[in-house]
Amino acid sequence: QVQLVQSGAEVKKPGASVKVSCKASGYTFTSYDISWVRQAPGQGLEWMGWISANNGNTNYAQKLQGRVTMTTDTSTSTAYMELRSLRSDDTAVYYCSVRGTHWGQGTLVTVSS
Amino acid sequence: QPVLTQSSSASASLGSSVKLTCTLSSGHSGYIIAWHQQQPGKAPRYLMKLEGSGSYNKGSGVPDRFSGSSSGADRYLTISNLQSEDEADYYCETWDSNTRVFGGGTKLTVL
Repeated sequence: QVQLVQSGAEVKKPGASVKVSCKASGYTFTSYDISWVRQAPGQGLEWMGWISANNGNTNYAQKLQGRVTMTTDTSTSTAYMELRSLRSDDTAVYYCSVRGTHWGQGTLVTVSS
Repeated sequence: QPVLTQSSSASASLGSSVKLTCTLSSGHSGYIIAWHQQQPGKAPRYLMKLEGSGSYNKGSGVPDRFSGSSSGADRYLTISNLQSEDEADYYCETWDSNTRVFGGGTKLTVL
């Protein structure tokens, strides 16, 4: 069965960077794109972008262009999302998702001085 | 880029039925959507993909009480025989070649 296991919670200071991982199992990793979605406290779901696990092509939400980078490591079936120049409004739970049908458990990123 | 509109809240009694609506923006009425359920404190869970024809394909383990239907630009999620565990936020989602977009979500309260 498809499983996505994400890295643990992070606390960062404003201006820092964070890198969240998402380890996939139960399917051929390179067969599907992986999307990243975030959810600020008490708010709805916000799509951040996707990466092709086959060729590394990416597409990012316009509001995050220049601050976000998504990568994959096919040798370990792991996807990564790095967000730079963190601000307080980046505090959120970050999710990875494959095919839109399977979700990771979420990673809480708290940005606070 | 499509926009999805959902009511912010809904409520219904235990054992009854409720129909949640997700409306696609003008020019996007033929789009396929997905419904996701998010129980308090949990990750979203995929429920189904729903086409403009009304045909839907549910995820593994989704109870028969959940069904989908469509009319024009509207996509519906119907939950029958409401249970307490159905109290959750429900999000619709759609996509095109480059982006994915979520509706604002509907908070369902089971009375």
